[in-house]
Amino acid sequence: QKEVEQNSGPLSVPEGAIASLNCTYSDRGSQSFFWYRQYSGKSPELIMSIYSNGDKEDGRFTAQLNKASQYVSLLIRDSQPSDSATYLCAATAGSGGSNYKLTFGKGTLLTVNP
Amino acid sequence: GAGVSQTPSNKVTEKGKYVELRCDPISGHTALYWYRQSLGQGPEFLIYFQGTGAADDSGLPNDRFFAVRPEGSVSTLKIQRTERGDSAVYLCASSQPGQGQPQHFGDGTRLSIL
Repeated sequence: QKEVEQNSGPLSVPEGAIASLNCTYSDRGSQSFFWYRQYSGKSPELIMSIYSNGDKEDGRFTAQLNKASQYVSLLIRDSQPSDSATYLCAATAGSGGSNYKLTFGKGTLLTVNP
Repeated sequence: GAGVSQTPSNKVTEKGKYVELRCDPISGHTALYWYRQSLGQGPEFLIYFQGTGAADDSGLPNDRFFAVRPEGSVSTLKIQRTERGDSAVYLCASSQPGQGQPQHFGDGTRLSIL
C-alpha cells in the first residue's frame, strides 16, 4: 500500500511568520506532487504542483521536492490568518502508467494566529 | 471560467437505497476522477475516466459502486444498496489530458446514509 505521510498538526504560527509543512511518500516511482488547501467543510483547492527536484515558488508559496529522500515540503511566507486551513499533500502513483492516480496524506491543520 | 460542478451538494437517504451523484467537469477537461473523503482523512481515489471509458476503476470498493460518462463530459457515480459505511463526501475532479496534470476539485456531494 503506497502511502503519503503528513504530520497531522495542528501547526500554529503567528501572523507574518513562515509556516513549514512537510510530507513523505513511500512510492519511489511517484512523479508528480501537489499541495492542496482545504478549508473546513470545503473541497480541496490546488495551490502548488511540483515535478522536479528543487524549489518552485509562486507568490508566498514555495514547494520543495527531494526525490532521493522521498520528501516534499511547502513553505508559506508572511502567513496570514486566511491561510488557516488543512493542507493536503498528494503524490501520483508511480507504477503501471498511473501518473494520474493521486494518493493523499491525511493533511496538516495550520492555524495562523493574528 | 466555470469550475467542476457537482450535484446534489447534500444527499440524505436510508440504508439500502440507490443514489446517483453527478459531476460536470471543467470545459475542455477530458480527464475526470472520483474520490471519496471521510472525516479526518485525505481523499481516496475511486475511478478515472479518460474520455468516455473508465481507464482505471481500481479504487471502487465493491460492485455496488459504478460510474459512467457516456458522452465524455458529465459523469454519474451510482451506488446501489447503500450502507451506512458509504457515508462520506464524494469529490469529483477534472484535468487536462496527459499524465501528471493538476486535478481541480468540485465542491463535493456530502452523502449521509441513515
